[in-house]
Amino acid sequence: EAGVTQFPSHSVIEKGQTVTLRCDPISGHDNLYWYRRVMGKEIKFLLHFVKESKQDESGMPNNRFLAERTGGTYSTLKVQPAELEDSGVYFCASSQFGKGEQYFGPGTRLTVT
Amino acid sequence: GNSVTQMEGPVTLSEEAFLTINCTYTATGYPSLFWYVQYPGEGLQLLLKATKADDKGSNKGFEATYRKETTSFHLEKGSVQVSDSAVYFCALTGGGADGLTFGKGTHLIIQP
Repeated sequence: EAGVTQFPSHSVIEKGQTVTLRCDPISGHDNLYWYRRVMGKEIKFLLHFVKESKQDESGMPNNRFLAERTGGTYSTLKVQPAELEDSGVYFCASSQFGKGEQYFGPGTRLTVT
Repeated sequence: GNSVTQMEGPVTLSEEAFLTINCTYTATGYPSLFWYVQYPGEGLQLLLKATKADDKGSNKGFEATYRKETTSFHLEKGSVQVSDSAVYFCALTGGGADGLTFGKGTHLIIQP
């Protein structure tokens, strides 16, 4: 069974540009989560999808971040326009419906210069 | 709100030493508790979990017991190996499929 995959693994962009991160969850997992780790700090929860619906987006830092999960399969996280403080590692995770055990992808390292 | 506090390290031990990484939490209700591990160059992997008080999670020689009275979930291993070198994260969910709240991570270095 394939695990959670994320693309790209690394992205370097300039301040003001737009970047879109993609996450493919484990097949059949209804729950999909986005997290971010800024250097030296904790991994922070961003939002939670159940299928295509946003269940909890309380962790989204501001309206420059837009997450979608059309069709309830893969998800994208767009940052527009990117700022220096957006640099960090963005993790995606998925879990089965009703299960607390989350499986993580390898992360996307975003560097904004 | 929920929070997790763990020793940050780095923690450096010799091979075959006994390991304890402390983790305490603050949460309302009855959280589920987890330890995740990130090996160099890899993503986060679930190491073990416990979903109710007095439960013991175990995997790969690691153990942690859910202590509600002390709000703790300390990670232990009797004899560490060089291959255990990694970053260890303590985490919790408020319940069900909620998002995880993580500690800052503990960098463990095992020397031969």
